Amino acid sequence: EAQVTQNPRYLITVTGKKLTVTCSQNMNHEYMSWYRQDPGLGLRQIYYSMNVEVTDKGDVPEGYKVSRKEKRNFPLILESPSPNQTSLYFCASSAGETQYFGPGTRLLVL
Amino acid sequence: DQQVKQNSPSLSVQEGRISILNCDYTNSMFDYFLWYKKYPAEGPTFLISISSIKDKNEDGRFTVFLNKSAKHLSLHIVPSQPGDSAVYFCAASAWHDYKLSFGAGTTVTVRA
Repeated sequence: EAQVTQNPRYLITVTGKKLTVTCSQNMNHEYMSWYRQDPGLGLRQIYYSMNVEVTDKGDVPEGYKVSRKEKRNFPLILESPSPNQTSLYFCASSAGETQYFGPGTRLLVL
Repeated sequence: DQQVKQNSPSLSVQEGRISILNCDYTNSMFDYFLWYKKYPAEGPTFLISISSIKDKNEDGRFTVFLNKSAKHLSLHIVPSQPGDSAVYFCAASAWHDYKLSFGAGTTVTVRA
């Protein structure tokens, strides 16, 4: 089954404790992206990757890092999480203009 | 500054009636528009799209209308069904740019 998977689905952490949210797709898509969803703001792009070893900032990249060492994986790294990064995070992949989203990761930073 | 705006946060409609969701955009470079549907605890799923060379696209009960001069698009759902209760996001992209700009979403509730 074609899908985008994210782990973990739910995470509670404390300020400053580094964390990684994994994202994997099995559709051989070159393009992958991370979004955060906040009330009243919709989905905002954090980072995206056009291919392996090619990444770039989206609209809200501050406080986040990404890497793309393999085509299928695109982890999101929060080196020092802060409470304003409490949000719902979605990974997406695409081979064209239609993006396919993962199920989401709900993060709470205390 | 949000380039895609959905000014109605919620919409309640009776089963069998028409649901009309509206979306406005400000970036004249946008030429491809999509609607995504999202259920709780799931990721958004693609619903329907339209390119700027068209003014209407239909897929079953779903029709999207595009008015380029007004920078406005709408999604019509006819007839509305209880399973249509979800959050609907409008999104837009510019030619050859995979980046999507999203609206804030409209929560649709279909009443039995």
